[in-house]
Amino acid sequence: NAGVTQTPKFRVLKTGQSMTLLCAQDMNHEYMYWYRQDPGMGLRLIHYSVGEGTTAKGEVPDGYNVSRLKKQNFLLGLESAAPSQTSVYFCASSSGGRTEAFFGQGTRLTVV
Amino acid sequence: GDSVTQMEGPVTLSEEAFLTINCTYTATGYPSLFWYVQYPGEGLQLLLKATKADDKGSNKGFEATYRKETTSFHLEKGSVQVSDSAVYFCALSDAGGTSYGKLTFGQGTILTVHP
Repeated sequence: NAGVTQTPKFRVLKTGQSMTLLCAQDMNHEYMYWYRQDPGMGLRLIHYSVGEGTTAKGEVPDGYNVSRLKKQNFLLGLESAAPSQTSVYFCASSSGGRTEAFFGQGTRLTVV
Repeated sequence: GDSVTQMEGPVTLSEEAFLTINCTYTATGYPSLFWYVQYPGEGLQLLLKATKADDKGSNKGFEATYRKETTSFHLEKGSVQVSDSAVYFCALSDAGGTSYGKLTFGQGTILTVHP
């Protein structure tokens, strides 16, 4: 049971570089999410998607873009990385409403 | 907007001690409430949930009761083990039509249990 898979698990970027984080889920969930986790702040929602071809902004969207070309995949892009984007990024999926979300194992990103 | 407040940590206990982690929330309507646990180096996994007032969620010896009158969802366990050492997150999901299952998290509480 793969569940939610994120790649890569670790990455170090230089300021100004770009990268894409990949998320794949095999549970046929409609909804997918990207969160970032920072010490003392819990998890905060960056962007989310309510279905293939849709995206929407969350609480902290600035500096990030997303795409959901296929139902099972949700990509998070950083066009020009900044040190403030050093964080642990989690992808999640759910069937929405009152159901639980399933999380990937996270990507630890360091921007130097 | 919605918010979740957890007791500040870290919390350090001896094995077999009683655990309480406080969680209060602010939300419109009737949210669903969750406790997630994050073990070292891993993602978050659901520990328990409650979807309406007075519901009690339970799993692995942990319990939490949805108290609408006090807007609380405190996590308890009668006897903790070293293997319970982890970060615990309280979260809510607004059940409104446009919530789309988005979660609002508390800041997390680090629990360390010593033998």
